[in-house]
Amino acid sequence: SQKIEQNSEALNIQEGKTATLTCNYTNYSPAYLQWYRQDPGRGPVFLLLIRENEKEKRKERLKVTFDTTLKQSLFHITASQPADSATYLCALDRSGSARQLTFGSGTQLTVLP
Amino acid sequence: NAGVTQTPKFRVLKTGQSMTLLCAQDMNHEYMYWYRQDPGMGLRLIHYSVGEGTTAKGEVPDGYNVSRLKKQNFLLGLESAAPSQTSVYFCASSYSGDKRTEAFFGQGTRLTVV
Repeated sequence: SQKIEQNSEALNIQEGKTATLTCNYTNYSPAYLQWYRQDPGRGPVFLLLIRENEKEKRKERLKVTFDTTLKQSLFHITASQPADSATYLCALDRSGSARQLTFGSGTQLTVLP
Repeated sequence: NAGVTQTPKFRVLKTGQSMTLLCAQDMNHEYMYWYRQDPGMGLRLIHYSVGEGTTAKGEVPDGYNVSRLKKQNFLLGLESAAPSQTSVYFCASSYSGDKRTEAFFGQGTRLTVV
């Protein structure tokens, strides 16, 4: 069966450091992968998308890589700040139509001042 | 623009009661979705719609029904609520084209079935 795993439920890092979150998947060939941020009591908010033919995508302090051979995506936040503390979700497109997203369970990131 | 709006935000139901969750979007999106989020389980797709008048089952559709009578609204119904349906429910919408593929989520509905 299709499975998506995010490396850990919780990750604590020091302010200013780079946070690296991992998303692994099996039995799946997604057209693209998305990363979302979710704050407590709120809905997920889209951050970045990377397509299967792209190796890396950047947006300000965020960087996403996509390795379809390893079936893995890495999400980096450089120069992390306490305001980056949130749960980060990866999501894969299950189907070519209707864009049905399958989500990982998320990694809760805490940036310590 | 309000984006995606869900009603209500909180609800407590007794086992066997019914209710309808309303989702409204003002972005003219073709696609709409209902997800549930449980601790450690991530978001799971319940039902989705690719346009007005259409609906389809997602990963966990049992116990739920949906309707999309208007393009901007997507309703999720629980006919006979069960404690296993205690969850946070999120509605989302997205464009149908390939240029912008991200999903826009509502703020969620926290449902408790006792």
